[in-house]
Amino acid sequence: GAVVSQHPSWVICKSGTSVKIECRSLDFQATTMFWYRQFPKQSLMLMATSNEGSKATYEQGVEKDKFLINHASLTLSTLTVTSAHPEDSSFYICSARGLHLDRGVNSPLHFGNGTRLTVT
Amino acid sequence: AQSVTQPDIHITVSEGASLELRCNYSYGATPYLFWYVQSPGQGLQLLLKYFSGDTLVQGIKGFEAEFKRSQSSFNLRKPSVHWSDAAEYFCAVGGFGNEKLTFGTGTRLTIIP
Repeated sequence: GAVVSQHPSWVICKSGTSVKIECRSLDFQATTMFWYRQFPKQSLMLMATSNEGSKATYEQGVEKDKFLINHASLTLSTLTVTSAHPEDSSFYICSARGLHLDRGVNSPLHFGNGTRLTVT
Repeated sequence: AQSVTQPDIHITVSEGASLELRCNYSYGATPYLFWYVQSPGQGLQLLLKYFSGDTLVQGIKGFEAEFKRSQSSFNLRKPSVHWSDAAEYFCAVGGFGNEKLTFGTGTRLTIIP
């Protein structure tokens, strides 16, 4: 089945540094990737939608300059948390939608295993 | 605006007992509905989905869900739970041409021997 690999699975960084999280589709071309943030015991909050080769669309309240998203190829999207602060500590999950004739929510969505970010 | 409500934050059932997790949605058009399962520290795995047709859908791991338009509900059921079913369950809603999913707050399932 389709696999999405997310790396690293966990990272600890110091306040003020930047952290990059990678999301790769291993056996399919991902035209659209989504980045979510999940606080403990809470649901997934969509941060942004990225389409290959274009700028990401950020959800309301998400700082685009703080959470930089790059989707340079059909198999890789990256999320960079810039100048991280302790309040950025969270579980970040990516998902990818494959290249299908029928775009939209009815095409399969595959999730990565998430990245636990801890900012000290 | 679309939204999903999962009224039960935490449910505990005995192994072998039946299970029903509740999900109510709000969506302005024909909804596409999903149930996902998340194990601790992991991503999400799709259990089942409803787009159209038969309102009772079968999923993986013995789960099923029934779409009831009149009640705006999409409850997840399993006739006999196994200890390995302990996890967090999320209901989600989307729609045709809308690539974004809105997730509920999740229901944590605990299985006792």
